[in-house]
Amino acid sequence: KNEVEQSPQNLTAQEGEFITINCSYSVGISALHWLQQHPGGGIVSLFMLSSGKKKHGRLIATINIQEKHSSLHITASHPRDSAVYICAVRLNTGNQFYFGTGTSLTVIP
Amino acid sequence: DGGITQSPKYLFRKEGQNVTLSCEQNLNHDAMYWYRQDPGQGLRLIYYSQIVNDFQKGDIAEGYSVSREKKESFPLTVTSAQKNPTAFYLCASRPQGASQPQHFGDGTRLSIL
Repeated sequence: KNEVEQSPQNLTAQEGEFITINCSYSVGISALHWLQQHPGGGIVSLFMLSSGKKKHGRLIATINIQEKHSSLHITASHPRDSAVYICAVRLNTGNQFYFGTGTSLTVIP
Repeated sequence: DGGITQSPKYLFRKEGQNVTLSCEQNLNHDAMYWYRQDPGQGLRLIYYSQIVNDFQKGDIAEGYSVSREKKESFPLTVTSAQKNPTAFYLCASRPQGASQPQHFGDGTRLSIL
């Protein structure tokens, strides 16, 4: 049983398309973290949010605490957005994080 | 530039051998974490430390050991008791505060010879 579920597992899009990646969780959390992992393995933090919505460039993250659901949107997708996107939650009972299995995104020129 | 440095990038272990993965950060972060990543699975927590000279086991601590003698360093030893050590290992750190994100190193890929 995984506390964090992501969908879809794999996603292929044409350049310019609007992309949505979903994350659902089953535990009480204090914050949710969206991460990007490049083919070499390095991980970059995109957003940390506990309510509402955050935007950075072409990336938008939203969270609905009541429904235990978060979405990551990419507008005007580009081949350089190709990566694995990982959702992680910080439990409200401590300092641990639980991670989803990731969504592998490929954007085709 | 501030960041997290993991070394080596690739590591090979012989049967029955202990190996140590290095993780150093110059971000002045209090908390540090070690994760293991296997294909098709999310990152799983091995150990974490919130302050110097203190650390807690994560979900998969068996066969691993850590130390936290300095704030900036959190080395992970993969012992011979870990029967399936082949994986990608990631170190992370974060400052105090519920809303603070984790910062990750570039990882170490460990393989068995």
